[in-house]
Amino acid sequence: EPEVTQTPSHQVTQMGQEVILRCVPISNHLYFYWYRQILGQKVEFLVSFYNNEISEKSEIFDDQFSVERPDGSNFTLKIRSTKLEDSAMYFCASSEVRAGVAGELFFGEGSRLTVL
Amino acid sequence: GENVEQHPSTLSVQEGDSAVIKCTYSDSASNYFPWYKQELGKRPQLIIDIRSNVGEKKDQRIAVTLNKTAKHFSLHITETQPEDSAVYFCAAIGQAGTALIFGKGTTLSVSS
Repeated sequence: EPEVTQTPSHQVTQMGQEVILRCVPISNHLYFYWYRQILGQKVEFLVSFYNNEISEKSEIFDDQFSVERPDGSNFTLKIRSTKLEDSAMYFCASSEVRAGVAGELFFGEGSRLTVL
Repeated sequence: GENVEQHPSTLSVQEGDSAVIKCTYSDSASNYFPWYKQELGKRPQLIIDIRSNVGEKKDQRIAVTLNKTAKHFSLHITETQPEDSAVYFCAAIGQAGTALIFGKGTTLSVSS
């Protein structure tokens, strides 16, 4: 069964450093998302992406964050200058159709980011 | 933007009992309401969903009901089993219609 894959599974970084989290969505999916989950809390929406541009972003997704689809398979989340409060599990997800038309989101296993 | 409220935050039941989790949403234009289950340390996975043109949907021991007038929807699990223990998240469509906004989650514990 195809699945969303994410790397790294765990990254530890120093405050102020840049981090890139990578995702390979399911191959025939067109819509891509990043969510984050602080330990024990809810899954928070960061950004949705379609046709090489951002469709929607939340208040969390400020200028420190950016997304990119550098080639035909990868979808990346960059955090320019990490803060302690960026420590969380970051989930990538993809869907075949837009979430608003009942597109099931398929989540990756997550990348745990620890900022020291 | 869309705001999804979920309660209770924790729910403990005995094996075989029923469990009900409730959510409310703010955007009356939302038309799709999924429920995701997240086991400890794992990714969220869709367990059931409902669209706004139906009031109830069942899949074996799981059912979801929707009241569009009141803007609330509920997850019902019957004959609970220990493997149902997990965090359950409801969701609704965000304002721009391109992303799911999740509730805060309900930790369900089923004891045998």
